[in-house]
Amino acid sequence: AQKVTQAQTEISVVEKEDVTLDCVYETRDTTYYLFWYKQPPSGELVFLIRRNSFDEQNEISGRYSWNFQKSTSSFNFTITASQVVDSAVYFCALNSGAGSYQLTFGKGTKLSVIP
Amino acid sequence: NAGVTQTPKFQVLKTGQSMTLQCAQDMNHEYMSWYRQDPGMGLRLIHYSVGAGITDQGEVPNGYNVSRSTTEDFPLRLLSAAPSQTSVYFCASSRTVMNTEAFFGQGTRLTVV
Repeated sequence: AQKVTQAQTEISVVEKEDVTLDCVYETRDTTYYLFWYKQPPSGELVFLIRRNSFDEQNEISGRYSWNFQKSTSSFNFTITASQVVDSAVYFCALNSGAGSYQLTFGKGTKLSVIP
Repeated sequence: NAGVTQTPKFQVLKTGQSMTLQCAQDMNHEYMSWYRQDPGMGLRLIHYSVGAGITDQGEVPNGYNVSRSTTEDFPLRLLSAAPSQTSVYFCASSRTVMNTEAFFGQGTRLTVV
């Protein structure tokens, strides 16, 4: 069985603050893939990042960074110097097991960036 | 590129009615799937297909049917709509199974009264 937990339901920050969104996953497989998706108020789902279980290097993309730690089964997402356009629901997702056809989503974290 | 196109964007049904949600992709992706999104629940897999002629059930398949006659299209049919099927539905496609980036449609907001 696989599970993704996003314990933070809603977060509010003031513009320019840094914010970290937590993601904890559970899987018994040694091969798995982790994702983050963004869902802005318009409703579409936007792919942000994919990480496989064999690559523990952290990644930075502009103001976004991701911290993957297998020891704690976490894949946290940090936004530096947040902006109003970052306001969205963010989903962490897991695909595990060879040939697995399912993407298991967390319940999402709603981020509100206040001007 | 159009990517993944879902129609309609909004729909209101009466209990017991049937309807089909359309999904088409133009990326020649083998894998397609349907998810439903409910408040506080994230997205849950309804049905998926790994290629034309091949479909299987996901986590919450009851009350839904699918078929995949072509690579491009993957319609979702509600046989007899129930209020519990009020949700936002997303179609997704990816090049292979779900360890690659998935492209999602814009979603269909369905209300069953």
